[in-house]
Amino acid sequence: GAVVSQHPSWVICKSGTSVKIECRSLDFQATTMFWYRQFPKQSLMLMATSNEGSKATYEQGVEKDKFLINHASLTLSTLTVTSAHPEDSSFYICSARARGRPEAFFGQGTRLTVV
Amino acid sequence: QKEVEQDPGPLSVPEGAIVSLNCTYSNSAFQYFMWYRQYSRKGPELLMYTYSSGNKEDGRFTAQVDKSSKYISLFIRDSQPSDSATYLCAMSAGGSYIPTFGRGTSLIVHP
Repeated sequence: GAVVSQHPSWVICKSGTSVKIECRSLDFQATTMFWYRQFPKQSLMLMATSNEGSKATYEQGVEKDKFLINHASLTLSTLTVTSAHPEDSSFYICSARARGRPEAFFGQGTRLTVV
Repeated sequence: QKEVEQDPGPLSVPEGAIVSLNCTYSNSAFQYFMWYRQYSRKGPELLMYTYSSGNKEDGRFTAQVDKSSKYISLFIRDSQPSDSATYLCAMSAGGSYIPTFGRGTSLIVHP
């Protein structure tokens, strides 16, 4: 299957600081990338969908000013958690799919802990 | 009613058993069906992808889609302890291909 690399795999930051998470498609062009948040023993919660070169589409209830998504190239999307607070602590996962393909491939996930 | 329903389990089976995992859905526009496996603290891994109704086999895994019943299944033959994970079904319609996920079924295969 296609490879999606996400890093860092874990990060600890202080409350009030910002954290950037990168998601790269290594062997295909990702026209669409998805960002998810997952709580323990829960399913994936879609945060936003981004298409290369366009602004991200955020799901209802997700603060776009807090979770900044950039998808500037066909192989890279970034999620920046701004002014992080302890309640933002979670597992964040990206996925990517190629044009015309419905199946999406996931990154390894990033565990964010805000102290 | 959620668009995709999936029993969270846990489902506990002995090694070597045939495992059946299922999802039901309500949106008749769904055409693309996927199964993912997720180990604890890892991103989901795509196992199977099928389009429309029918069966697809890959090694010990078989995916079935019955669009008339809005029901999909994943069968695992000769289950192994290493199959212990959470299995997520996902489906999407054409166009945006935004997947809708089930909540996942926790599978435990004990030696």
